[in-house]
Amino acid sequence: SQTIHQWPATLVQPVGSPLSLECTVEGTSNPNLYWYRQAAGRGLQLLFYSVGIGQISSEVPQNLSASRPQDRQFILSSKKLLLSDSGFYLCACNIVGEQYFGPGTRLTVT
Amino acid sequence: QKEVEQNSGPLSVPEGAIASLNCTYSDRGSQSFFWYRQYSGKSPELIMSIYSNGDKEDGRFTAQLNKASQYVSLLIRDSQPSDSATYLCAVRNTGFQKLVFGTGTRLLVSP
Repeated sequence: SQTIHQWPATLVQPVGSPLSLECTVEGTSNPNLYWYRQAAGRGLQLLFYSVGIGQISSEVPQNLSASRPQDRQFILSSKKLLLSDSGFYLCACNIVGEQYFGPGTRLTVT
Repeated sequence: QKEVEQNSGPLSVPEGAIASLNCTYSDRGSQSFFWYRQYSGKSPELIMSIYSNGDKEDGRFTAQLNKASQYVSLLIRDSQPSDSATYLCAVRNTGFQKLVFGTGTRLLVSP
């Protein structure tokens, strides 16, 4: 069965600092991968999805970017964090039509 | 109009009762429907998927789908305090590999 790893689990960063969150998947090949953000008390917002290496689709304009350098690696980045970037960042993977989430990274921008 | 709508709750039920969670969606061409459970501070966990009209049972959980009414529900029988969580409804829209999520219903099961 598949396993989704995310790190770090928690992160506190100052406004204006860079960001790099990593997601790796085990137990499957060529998965569709997704980045979501869940702000406090809010729903899930799809940020990016990828159907293959180097293929990134952006759902909302923002100061975040994503990359997929390897089949089972998905990275979320920012050059300069905003206060509004605080939230719970979730990586997800599609397995035979069902979507599974990683444990998430809780980001606080101060 | 939101694409996937859920009552935010909280829905309060006593232990042992049946909890009924409801979800409506706007895209009539939607084909796949999912229920996730999310405990506070944790990531969503897939608990049920349903693809055709009718009922699908898995243990204490039953998902019900009515495509004509664009309505999907989740029944939790013999509710336990450990079922207290937020339940997210998700719908896969036509032709995409993306899910659209509702904002979730918070369920509280009291001992």
